[in-house]
Amino acid sequence: DAGVIQSPRHEVTEMGQEVTLRCKPISGHNSLFWYRQTMMRGLELLIYFNNNVPIDDSGMPEDRFSAKMPNASFSTLKIQPSEPRDSAVYFCASSTGTPNQPQHFGDGTRLSIL
Amino acid sequence: AQSVTQPDIHITVSEGASLELRCNYSYGATPYLFWYVQSPGQGLQLLLKYFSGDTLVQGIKGFEAEFKRSQSSFNLRKPSVHWSDAAEYFCAVGHSGNTGKLIFGQGTTLQVKP
Repeated sequence: DAGVIQSPRHEVTEMGQEVTLRCKPISGHNSLFWYRQTMMRGLELLIYFNNNVPIDDSGMPEDRFSAKMPNASFSTLKIQPSEPRDSAVYFCASSTGTPNQPQHFGDGTRLSIL
Repeated sequence: AQSVTQPDIHITVSEGASLELRCNYSYGATPYLFWYVQSPGQGLQLLLKYFSGDTLVQGIKGFEAEFKRSQSSFNLRKPSVHWSDAAEYFCAVGHSGNTGKLIFGQGTTLQVKP
């Protein structure tokens, strides 16, 4: 079975540019989560969706960040404009949405903003 | 509010020695508990989970964890550590809402000495 698929795996861009990260959850999973991981702040939950509806975006650092889930098989996390402090590894995870089931993580997107 | 504490930020053990990583949680009801491992450059991989039944649960890669309600703990153990176990380990508790959200601990980095 295919796991959570993230693209791109690596992204290097200059500050001010728009960055779009993509995620395809596991088929049949109802919940999708976006995380950011840095050495300084560890693993942070940015936003999560349940049945394609955003449930909690309180972890989104600022208005430059936005996320969408237009259908059950696709989500994007967009940063516009990007800044060097956005450099991090961004993970997408999905789950069935029930509390006793684990989240399944993608391999992440390593983002570098120059 | 639910929370997870991993008291040890960094642990070093010799190869072949036993390992115990500590995890304490705060949750009013029966918790759903998880351990994940993250190898360098990879996403988080589920090691094991507990949600009911036998308080000693077995996971992949020879790991086990014991749920102790009286101590609010879910410590991860391995009898003999291999060099390939060097990684970061995360404990998590399932959020009470029906969305699959997890509350993660800060993580423990395991270093294995030859």
